[in-house]
Amino acid sequence: DSGVTQTPKHLITATGQRVTLRCSPRSGDLSVYWYQQSLDQGLQFLIQYYNGEERAKGNILERFSAQQFPDLHSELNLSSLELGDSALYFCASSPGQLSSGNTIYFGEGSWLTVV
Amino acid sequence: QQPVQSPQAVILREGEDAVINCSSSKALYSVHWYRQKHGEAPVFLMILLKGGEQKGHDKISASFNEKKQQSSLYLTASQLSYSGTYFCGTEFLNDYKLSFGAGTTVTVRA
Repeated sequence: DSGVTQTPKHLITATGQRVTLRCSPRSGDLSVYWYQQSLDQGLQFLIQYYNGEERAKGNILERFSAQQFPDLHSELNLSSLELGDSALYFCASSPGQLSSGNTIYFGEGSWLTVV
Repeated sequence: QQPVQSPQAVILREGEDAVINCSSSKALYSVHWYRQKHGEAPVFLMILLKGGEQKGHDKISASFNEKKQQSSLYLTASQLSYSGTYFCGTEFLNDYKLSFGAGTTVTVRA
């Protein structure tokens, strides 16, 4: 158990709908990262927050948005869902910025199935 | 700027050794290695900072060749528990994120 908590663990929804994935980082961690992993694919970086501020952005679709709240938990909002959005969404956290020698620890992920 | 991993897959018998490579076209600040079992979270194995150090975790070790911008993960005397997909995550200076390779699937058979 990495200490990163993600909810829900599984979610099935219809095309066109909107969902929110939630992440609580490890105690004391200030950075939160979101990754998408499609079936048997690698980990695609979506977005990173540090202490409430967006610090890095990957190939995140305009239909997707995220934020980190004052209590450091983060939410990833996915809207106008398409079949291709079906994937395992991981949240990860780290104590600070990566360049200070930290690494990131992954949560168990949220399985999203769009039907 | 995702790193390139090789091989894509490897099949081992218990006790055999394997090497997984991770290459970048851009200067690396650090390399992070993870193992993922199917449908589970990637689990952190070790981090290599620039400087060419080698680290070990049980019979799994890694090196970082700064001149070649390449890291290698060594699986020694493999065990059944080593099966999974290994990912390298690369970090560039002031980039604030890890970019992951496509992964190397390791299957260890009895």
